[in-house]
Amino acid sequence: KQEVTQIPAALSVPEGENLVLNCSFTDSAIYNLQWFRQDPGKGLTSLLLIQSSQREQTSGRLNASLDKSSGRSTLYIAASQPGDSATYLCAVGGNQAGTALIFGKGTTLSVSS
Amino acid sequence: NAGVMQNPRHLVRRRGQEARLRCSPVKGHSHVYWYRQLPEEGLKFMVYLQKENIIDESGMPKERFSAEFPKEGPSILRIQQVVRGDSAAYFCASSPLISGGALTGANVLTFGAGSRLTVL
Repeated sequence: KQEVTQIPAALSVPEGENLVLNCSFTDSAIYNLQWFRQDPGKGLTSLLLIQSSQREQTSGRLNASLDKSSGRSTLYIAASQPGDSATYLCAVGGNQAGTALIFGKGTTLSVSS
Repeated sequence: NAGVMQNPRHLVRRRGQEARLRCSPVKGHSHVYWYRQLPEEGLKFMVYLQKENIIDESGMPKERFSAEFPKEGPSILRIQQVVRGDSAAYFCASSPLISGGALTGANVLTFGAGSRLTVL
């Protein structure tokens, strides 16, 4: 059974700092991995999608890496801003298309100005 | 091109009542997923549906919960005889069926804003 763990559970940093969020999964037979952002009381916004054959994806100040063999992904946020404050969720897709995403509990990030 | 629309956004029910949550997927998406997020917990998969078919309901509680995705209209998540433990945010997501039948685009989910159920 796939399990997804995110560390740390919460993180507070001053504005401008670079930071890394970690995600690990127990079954390396994944279809893809997605990073989402969730603001309080809101839905999920997809940030980055990495297919199982890829090593990383970049979007603006965000960079996500994937190491399938070790069951790990990282989300790197450069030059953090107060607007980055949110909960970041990692989710992995099963070993074939159409299977449901399995989510971690998330890392709640707070960036102070 | 509207995203996934969920309604109601907030729903209050008393114990024993029924809750009906609706989800209209992205236009053209034929796959719908329901997730539940309990306070301080991650999103837990409940059910995966295609039009008129339940594909995977392994995350659905065995009693009181049901889901449908009819040929016409939104997907419905129905909770009968609600209890306080059903209080949660319920999220719907949809994904497309890529032409040719290959689900290569699946798992690229677009989420709705969620329906927050409070049971008094």
